[in-house]
Amino acid sequence: DQQVKQNSPSLSVQEGRISILNCDYTNSMFDYFLWYKKYPAEGPTFLISISSIKDKNEDGRFTVFLNKSAKHLSLHIVPSQPGDSAVYFCAASRSNFGNEKLTFGTGTRLTIIP
Amino acid sequence: DAGVTQSPTHLIKTRGQQVTLRCSPISGHKSVSWYQQVLGQGPQFIFQYYEKEERGRGNFPDRFSARQFPNYSSELNVNALLLGDSALYLCASSLNFQETQYFGPGTRLLVL
Repeated sequence: DQQVKQNSPSLSVQEGRISILNCDYTNSMFDYFLWYKKYPAEGPTFLISISSIKDKNEDGRFTVFLNKSAKHLSLHIVPSQPGDSAVYFCAASRSNFGNEKLTFGTGTRLTIIP
Repeated sequence: DAGVTQSPTHLIKTRGQQVTLRCSPISGHKSVSWYQQVLGQGPQFIFQYYEKEERGRGNFPDRFSARQFPNYSSELNVNALLLGDSALYLCASSLNFQETQYFGPGTRLLVL
């Protein structure tokens, strides 16, 4: 049972344009969401997170939007840069359980075209 | 500051053998979690330890076990290896169990 879904396995975006990565979840108990970026031969790198009490969180070029009613979140990268090419994972947890278990999606491979 | 470190980086074992993977958390971090990432999938939660106590366990068989030491480093043990245990094993550390988890580079295990 895939509780966190990233339905687009890959995405290609022109350098300088906006990249939008999507994530859906089914478990309504999830209330804390994170995005990680992963390069080959490296572990996932934390990018940005959002609590369910918010609907938007920004950090530089990265913005995460949360739509609780639709159980959907998205990561916007503006402007996209070649170094953003990586696999992006969406993850979710139940913070009242202390975030001990992150449930990940299957990832979206983002390729930025120079 | 050094990030999360894991050893070894790569490992080849045969079916039925046992393996021990090691993780050193970021300095000051007291919580360590283990994840298994099979090719083409996202990481799956195996264990979390905080202050040497197990705080959570994922849906993995009893062949998987772990422990955390007084210096907060951790070991993951897998007994009676199966071909399906071939994966990237990731360790993540956090200040405590409520904080963001930061991942190490992983140990790639191949079971033949």
